[in-house]
Amino acid sequence: EFVLTQSPGTLSLSPGERATLSCRASQSVSSSYLAWYQQKPGQAPRLLIYGASSRATGTPDRFSGSGSGTDFTLTISRLEPEDFAVYYCQEYGNSPKLTFGGGTKVEIK
Amino acid sequence: QVQLQESGPGLVKPSETLSLTCTVSGRSISPYYWSWIRQPPGKGLEWIGYVYSSGNTNYNPSLKSRVTISVDRSRNQFSLKLTSVTAADTAVYYCARLDGSSLDFWGQGTLVTVSS
Repeated sequence: EFVLTQSPGTLSLSPGERATLSCRASQSVSSSYLAWYQQKPGQAPRLLIYGASSRATGTPDRFSGSGSGTDFTLTISRLEPEDFAVYYCQEYGNSPKLTFGGGTKVEIK
Repeated sequence: QVQLQESGPGLVKPSETLSLTCTVSGRSISPYYWSWIRQPPGKGLEWIGYVYSSGNTNYNPSLKSRVTISVDRSRNQFSLKLTSVTAADTAVYYCARLDGSSLDFWGQGTLVTVSS
């Protein structure tokens, strides 16, 4: 079964710092089919990045996605107070057809 | 702007069937894919399945034997049925639109608790 592994589980940083989140796939993934979401407590997830590196409508440019093959990264260049949340990567196309990673929580240090 | 709203019972008894409906507004349900995702309390996201506006479906193999997702184009709605539920099916259930390979619009989610 296809698996996405996100690391670290928790990232403790201060506002203004750079955040680097990792998403590793158990087998090679098409970059076109890798997305990232942000979820705040009590809210639905929000699409941030699709196609590994394209920002969704309304996503600030401090968020960037990169990677290929089995290794993908979400970078937040300078953390704003509203960026502290849980982030999920998601892949489409394997089995199951749509798979989420376990999530990375970005918390205030 | 596409809006989605989940509706259905918040409490289901063990061994019974969980039934939820997602109403889509602001856009026709055709010609898109529509998905259900769930999130147990304090845990991560699990994809349940999707339905195309024509009625074609694809389900998570881990749930396939218990899941049915259907679409009602006349009402601009799609629905989820999950049979033989247990406490492990307690979760917030979300509906969302699948645009290409990502989920671009989501409902607010509805908590379904399985308990007698």
